[in-house]
Amino acid sequence: NAGVTQTPKFQVLKTGQSMTLQCAQDMNHNSMYWYRQDPGMGLRLIYYSASEGTTDKGEVPNGYNVSRLNKREFSLRLESAAPSQTSVYFCASKKTGAQAEQYFGPGTRLTVT
Amino acid sequence: GEDVEQSLFLSVREGDSSVINCTYTDSSSTYLYWYKQEPGAGLQLLTYIFSNMDMKQDQRLTVLLNKKDKHLSLRIADTQTGDSAIYFCAERPSGSARQLTFGSGTQLTVLP
Repeated sequence: NAGVTQTPKFQVLKTGQSMTLQCAQDMNHNSMYWYRQDPGMGLRLIYYSASEGTTDKGEVPNGYNVSRLNKREFSLRLESAAPSQTSVYFCASKKTGAQAEQYFGPGTRLTVT
Repeated sequence: GEDVEQSLFLSVREGDSSVINCTYTDSSSTYLYWYKQEPGAGLQLLTYIFSNMDMKQDQRLTVLLNKKDKHLSLRIADTQTGDSAIYFCAERPSGSARQLTFGSGTQLTVLP
């Protein structure tokens, strides 16, 4: 099992450009999540998908859209990138259940100039 | 809303014990987690505790929970250089829809 995979690992964008961050999991998990990590601020939830076909906003959704393409894949789109979106983005997944652990991908480091 | 706070830095000597502290605000029953993040990597779950427990031990790791003060600590015995990482405390209130709230992370540096 590869676990949670993310592409790309690194990306540099100019202000106003768009891009999609890809995430896939092979653990048959129902729930998937997108977080951003900024220095001194821990992880903040952008969007999550409790099950295939559903998505919900997290703490910091503005400027982002998501698509739960199927059970395996959950993508994050920046339509018009801004320097404030420079961050490290983590995807995570977990199976249903109160005690279930979230498994994290390796992250995508995004810089917007 | 929920809030989770941690100190940002901790340095210890190799072989000493490390104690990383965390406070949280949510008063409902909750799960509390400790994650470890090594440089350039994602987060790895170390251990978790439910709020009806006082202590949980797993090899070198001991989690202590003071429910009255909403204070959580992670003790690492015989700290090794491989323990150098950022440690995140997180809470998840019980109930199906609520998500993890993370602290800012504590950078643990183990000195030889």
